Amino acid sequence: AQTVTQSQPEMSVQEAETVTLSCTYDTSESDYYLFWYKQPPSRQMILVIRQEAYKQQNATENRFSVNFQKAAKSFSLKISDSQLGDAAMYFCAYRFGRSGGSNYKLTFGKGTLLTVNP
Amino acid sequence: EAQVTQNPRYLITVTGKKLTVTCSQNMNHEYMSWYRQDPGLGLRQIYYSMNVEVTDKGDVPEGYKVSRKEKRNFPLILESPSPNQTSLYFCASSNQQGGWLEQFFGPGTRLTVL
Repeated sequence: AQTVTQSQPEMSVQEAETVTLSCTYDTSESDYYLFWYKQPPSRQMILVIRQEAYKQQNATENRFSVNFQKAAKSFSLKISDSQLGDAAMYFCAYRFGRSGGSNYKLTFGKGTLLTVNP
Repeated sequence: EAQVTQNPRYLITVTGKKLTVTCSQNMNHEYMSWYRQDPGLGLRQIYYSMNVEVTDKGDVPEGYKVSRKEKRNFPLILESPSPNQTSLYFCASSNQQGGWLEQFFGPGTRLTVL
């Protein structure tokens, strides 16, 4: 079974600084997707960034980027120029790549609570 | 606006009183799923549905039922709720047209069972 591990229950960063959230996963699949979700106090699940396992290039979305190390099964999230609005719980998630008639279950890590200090 | 809606958003009930949490999506998605979120455990899948009348268990199905009579709706049923089902529940939906299949989440339902 696939597992996702977030080893940092809590992290903090100063406003305008950079922070990296760690995520490792375990799978025997070669085709899969990885995601980072943000959950602010409103509890809404917001997709931050995704990475396809077959792509070597690391995904980037504005101030958010990932460091995807497929061999090491590592998928960290870097937030640059941190803003107060980035404060939230962040979840790393995995989904295998097969489509058509399969369970598209997302397997989530336990989350990292990010605090942004002014 | 494309969205997944859940009702109610908050519910406090007592042990053994049957309840239903509704989920509806307006994106014509085939795939729908229920997750529960508990502190320190992340989100775990309860049940999922690949299409109308096609449902199956996820990782934590005990104590829950679902039905999928219409494509847009996927209600979660707790026939005899217990305190260990106190949790935050999310419904999600996705299409099945290949690719990375973004899952759209509802706003969540906070359930407390006394």
